[in-house]
Amino acid sequence: SQQGEEDPQALSIQEGENATMNCSYKTSINNLQWYRQNSGRGLVHLILIRSNEREKHSGRLRVTLDTSKKSSSLLITASRAADTASYFCATDATGNFGNEKLTFGTGTRLTIIP
Amino acid sequence: EPEVTQTPSHQVTQMGQEVILRCVPISNHLYFYWYRQILGQKVEFLVSFYNNEISEKSEIFDDQFSVERPDGSNFTLKIRSTKLEDSAMYFCASSATGVAKNIQYFGAGTRLSVL
Repeated sequence: SQQGEEDPQALSIQEGENATMNCSYKTSINNLQWYRQNSGRGLVHLILIRSNEREKHSGRLRVTLDTSKKSSSLLITASRAADTASYFCATDATGNFGNEKLTFGTGTRLTIIP
Repeated sequence: EPEVTQTPSHQVTQMGQEVILRCVPISNHLYFYWYRQILGQKVEFLVSFYNNEISEKSEIFDDQFSVERPDGSNFTLKIRSTKLEDSAMYFCASSATGVAKNIQYFGAGTRLSVL
């Protein structure tokens, strides 16, 4: 499998329910981030979790990181129609000048049914 | 809120033609990136740029590609002789220094269609 794979590939839930997406990766990381992409648009940063952190919250988002299993999960609570989008995890590797090249996963397409 | 802007939003070109994709990063950012996303596939890293030089590039970024920061605000990606397989969304991103450099801010993208 490739660096950064999300599952499920697609997820449909009713508005108000919680959505959980998972990401697995293969190499050691500095940080793991989650981004959202609305159809045909750019990527919007949601949350970053560092390799020494296990859980992080931001509003309705909760991210966990298990470096021993090389996996992360993104939980969106009380989903809304506006949460409909594709969600990507991205891991970083330090470049020559400390640039953090991002390696993206395959994404989960989340559909919230009103 | 500051944002990364990209122009044009859609570029149509003939195979073999040169294209220049333009980006205006967030003004106080010092790290710049180009990524591409072929329809239905992953977002792929192309190149990162800092202090007026390429700091890292992927195997996709061959001799047909070049980047430039021609002035204090623009960051461009040039494809010298486009191929059909260059058709994709191209995203520019920028990030700040220090701990904030981990977070990259993306533009809305340029859809490149090579005919």
